[in-house]
Amino acid sequence: NAGVTQTPKFQVLKTGQSMTLQCAQDMNHNSMYWYRQDPGMGLRLIYYSASEGTTDKGEVPNGYNVSRLNKREFSLRLESAAPSQTSVYFCASSDLEYNEQFFGPGTRLTVL
Amino acid sequence: AQKITQTQPGMFVQEKEAVTLDCTYDTSDPSYGLFWYKQPSSGEMIFLIYQGSYDQQNATEGRYSLNFQKARKSANLVISASQLGDSAMYFCAMREGGNEKLTFGTGTRLTIIP
Repeated sequence: NAGVTQTPKFQVLKTGQSMTLQCAQDMNHNSMYWYRQDPGMGLRLIYYSASEGTTDKGEVPNGYNVSRLNKREFSLRLESAAPSQTSVYFCASSDLEYNEQFFGPGTRLTVL
Repeated sequence: AQKITQTQPGMFVQEKEAVTLDCTYDTSDPSYGLFWYKQPSSGEMIFLIYQGSYDQQNATEGRYSLNFQKARKSANLVISASQLGDSAMYFCAMREGGNEKLTFGTGTRLTIIP
């Protein structure tokens, strides 16, 4: 099992460019999440999806959109990147059966 | 109000000593779960330990134990016999009710000194 995979690992964008961060999990989990991690701030929830076909805003959703394409995949889109979106982005998945969220390796995004 | 508070931005501990990382939480939901994750310099998030609000005993996983004091709303992580590989950021997190979302603290950077 690969667990949670994310692509790309690194990305540099110019202000105003768009991009999509991809996330997939092979654990058949219902719930998936996108977090961002900034120095001194811990991880903050951007969006989450409790099940296929549903998405909800987290703590810091502005500037982002998400798509739960199917049970495996949950993508995060930046329509018009801003320097404030420079961060490390983590995707995670979970199921109520387990007392753990499983994290992907992260994507380091820099917006110039 | 912060839901998860980690008051120690950084700690230095001698190798082989025990270390306690502090975490306090705030919730009015009687059903909740508390988690600790480790993030080494390589960046991945590693799950360490979980404590449910109704669990009667403190959780333990190898050298990790969770000192759960419900009345004080604290869930401190205790690492026994620290090793150089324990140097990392440590995050406390909480899940409330039937919701699977996690709220994270700001983390503690632990450095083990040889």
